[in-house]
Amino acid sequence: AQSVTQLGSHVSVSEGALVLLRCNYSSSVPPYLFWYVQYPNQGLQLLLKYTSAATLVKGINGFEAEFKKSETSFHLTKPSAHMSDAAEYFCAVTTKTSYDKVIFGPGTSLSVIP
Amino acid sequence: EAGVAQSPRYKIIEKRQSVAFWCNPISGHATLYWYQQILGQGPKLLIQFQNNGVVDDSQLPKDRFSAERLKGVDSTLKIQPAKLEDSAVYLCASSSSGDGALAEAFFGQGTRLTVV
Repeated sequence: AQSVTQLGSHVSVSEGALVLLRCNYSSSVPPYLFWYVQYPNQGLQLLLKYTSAATLVKGINGFEAEFKKSETSFHLTKPSAHMSDAAEYFCAVTTKTSYDKVIFGPGTSLSVIP
Repeated sequence: EAGVAQSPRYKIIEKRQSVAFWCNPISGHATLYWYQQILGQGPKLLIQFQNNGVVDDSQLPKDRFSAERLKGVDSTLKIQPAKLEDSAVYLCASSSSGDGALAEAFFGQGTRLTVV
């Protein structure tokens, strides 16, 4: 079975600073990995996904993530935080053998300080 | 393209009452998911449908929760009787699943359930 951990339930950054949200996964077979964002009172929106092609994945709103198999990590970064990035971020994992079952991490709440 | 529609947006009920949530997925999407998101936690998969068949319901509390997907399109999730710990946001999502795990899931806005 696969699982996801996210280090840091809450992260605060200054506007314009680097955003780094951490995600580590566990999977006995090659994983597919996702980052979703959730704004208050909204559903989840896909930021980006890793599907075993390029290890550096670029997503929407300037976010990107790098798959590192040796570290079982898929950290999310953005060079310069914007006020509109304040939201909840979820890392998720699935595998080809799990029939699209997507397992989510506990989430990281990002605050952006002006 | 219309998104995933859910209703109601909010619901408050007393414990031991019953409640039902409705989801209309994106047209043509074969896979439909129901997730439970308790405050401060990530979404937990309750049940997954492929067309109108159940693929995974291993985390669905079957003594009180039930779900169906009519004609492989709309879906309803029911709780009877509700407990205080069922207070959560119930998210519906759908995907085309054309390439199995590569498909992106699109989420509705969710139904916020409060059990008092």
